[in-house]
Parts: sequence; structure tokens; C-alpha cells
Amino acid sequence: QSALTQPPSASGSPGQSVTISCTGTSSDVGGYDYVSWYQQHPGKAPKLMIYGVIRRPSGVPDRFSGSKSGNTASLTVSGLQADDEADYYCSSYAGSNNYVFGTGTKVTVL
Amino acid sequence: QLQLQESGPGLVKPSETLSLTCGVSGGSMRSTSYYWGWIRQPPGKGLEWIGNIYYNGGTYYNPSLNSRVTLSIDTSKNQFSLKLSSVTAADTAVYYCARLAYLLTVRYWFDPWGQGTLVTVSS
Repeated sequence: QSALTQPPSASGSPGQSVTISCTGTSSDVGGYDYVSWYQQHPGKAPKLMIYGVIRRPSGVPDRFSGSKSGNTASLTVSGLQADDEADYYCSSYAGSNNYVFGTGTKVTVL
Repeated sequence: QLQLQESGPGLVKPSETLSLTCGVSGGSMRSTSYYWGWIRQPPGKGLEWIGNIYYNGGTYYNPSLNSRVTLSIDTSKNQFSLKLSSVTAADTAVYYCARLAYLLTVRYWFDPWGQGTLVTVSS
């Protein structure tokens, strides 16, 4: 199984929105509504931000939203704040009890 | 609030076996709604799923690591463990343990995560 493809970097000014894509195949992202997104600050463990493509855990601001179209999932961060600057990883169920992560995207708040 | 904590040697020699344990506190490991998993992250690189284990001992491994990985679980001690054999420098990484949700209608997300532990493979 290959890693899901994410852009290496994305950026935006405070208050703006940034959208990160996560492209897989019909065997993972396109085949299941089991995409999740994680935020990772330097030296810290990943933190769940989105699960089930669109669902937000309690405590995650509604500025974070997820979507999916075909084999590509997306995470949108609206109203960018300084603390949103981090690495973001997508993950998808890939069938047969396998899981795959994305290559990661570094979000910079300008 | 469920918490996970990895423990084990920070340095392993090439060709030897890496062994880590994840202690779970604040909840039971016996739930049928969750798996227990390991994920690793080489320095400066992305995340890689290693494998999951169910409360009854059922295991699922990343095909790329399958021949070298063994997971085990001890629910009486609230912990689960990872063994990775024949390690090389490429296995140097931060190793995380995490809970994987397996609910009725929505499944397969990792939360919470342990803080991670760096394991270096070097002689």
C-alpha cells in the first residue's frame, strides 16, 4: 500500500482559509468513508482533528472541516490562527484491516 | 480520560529486536469498540502504521512489516506490546501507541495517542 498524496506545504494569512488535499485510490480514500485528519505540532504527538471524513471530535474548533470527492479528501482550516501552524496528516482505511497515512502537509501562517 | 504511555529502550543494536510497551490508564482495554495500535515516524518524515491488536489478541499488521512484527496484549495489566525483529537503521523512529476506534457506523480513527518514544537503531 502506498502513502496517500498530500501537498508538501500550504500557507495563508491570519483569518484566511487553507485547504489541504489527500489523494488516494478507490482501494482506500475512494472506497470508504473512513478518512481522518491529524494535526502535529513540532515534537508533539498527532492530535485527531477530523474522523469519518466530516466529523469533528468534541473540543476541535468548527474552523476545521473535512470533505471528500472521489479518491480525494480535503481538510479546510478557516479563520487561520497562529496556533494552526503545524503538520497535518490524513489517514484512511485501506481494506483488509490495513491503514495508510498521507505524506503530510506543513501549514504555515504567514 | 484515557491516556497511553510508551516505554522501552531508546537504543537498539542492528539485527536485534526492538521491544516497546504501551501502558493504558483511565479506561478498560476490554471494550469491543476499540483496537490498540502502533504507528511510527522516522525523524523528519511522515507517519507509518505498524499494526493493531484487539482485546482478544487478534492482530493485523502492515504488510511491509508483517514478517518482523509481533503485537501482544495483556488486558489484566492494561498494556500492549510491540516487538520488531532484525532492526536496521531504517527502523529508527518515534514510536507511538494509539487507540483505534471501531464503532458501529463510524470507524477507524486513532485517538488518543501516546506521547511517543524515540528508538534509535545503532551499534
